[in-house]
Amino acid sequence: GAGVSQSPSNKVTEKGKDVELRCDPISGHTALYWYRQRLGQGLEFLIYFQGNSAPDKSGLPSDRFSAERTGESVSTLTIQRTQQEDSAVYLCASSSRLADYQETQYFGPGTRLLVL
Amino acid sequence: ELKVEQNPLFLSMQEGKNYTIYCNYSTTSDRLYWYRQDPGKSLESLFVLLSNGAVKQEGRLMASLDTKARLSTLHITAAVHDLSATYFCAVNDYKLSFGAGTTVTVRA
Repeated sequence: GAGVSQSPSNKVTEKGKDVELRCDPISGHTALYWYRQRLGQGLEFLIYFQGNSAPDKSGLPSDRFSAERTGESVSTLTIQRTQQEDSAVYLCASSSRLADYQETQYFGPGTRLLVL
Repeated sequence: ELKVEQNPLFLSMQEGKNYTIYCNYSTTSDRLYWYRQDPGKSLESLFVLLSNGAVKQEGRLMASLDTKARLSTLHITAAVHDLSATYFCAVNDYKLSFGAGTTVTVRA
């Protein structure tokens, strides 16, 4: 596709349920990033993929959060036993080069997660 | 830990006047990004500043980078309504570290 796509665009869930968020990066982009944006705040880094390996998971807030990537395409971010503080917009970004981490990151539209 | 600070956090602009947003960061970096975010939307890349003294301009926006001072500025010339948005700077340490954002409102 022309840009990064994410699904669902909105998700409302009950506390304690698991949710899965999906990201389709720009075709050919080897690097993929997940960020979280709480209401009225900047972006927090969650995890970074080079291909399908994740050299940096340092931003994941707890062990309830995990992410996977299939090859150099789709990534899923899973939140288990959701809590109200998980409510946020989850943004995915991709960039084109494996070795040059300084390439511009292009962002998807985000998934707005609300935990009741 | 890399820290990125923006100020002001909120900026009410009058149409036709000039304003500047400042972005300070805490470690050496030779690449700085400016993004724009409209309400309910994702981030749109505005500028990538690659080296000390870099200056980029697009329409009424001009961004500059001083790596020695660890400072970038986003200058808005003759503000117009469609510039209302939140502007983020971000520094690349393989992942992007973002400032808190500057919410800009342009009034007549």
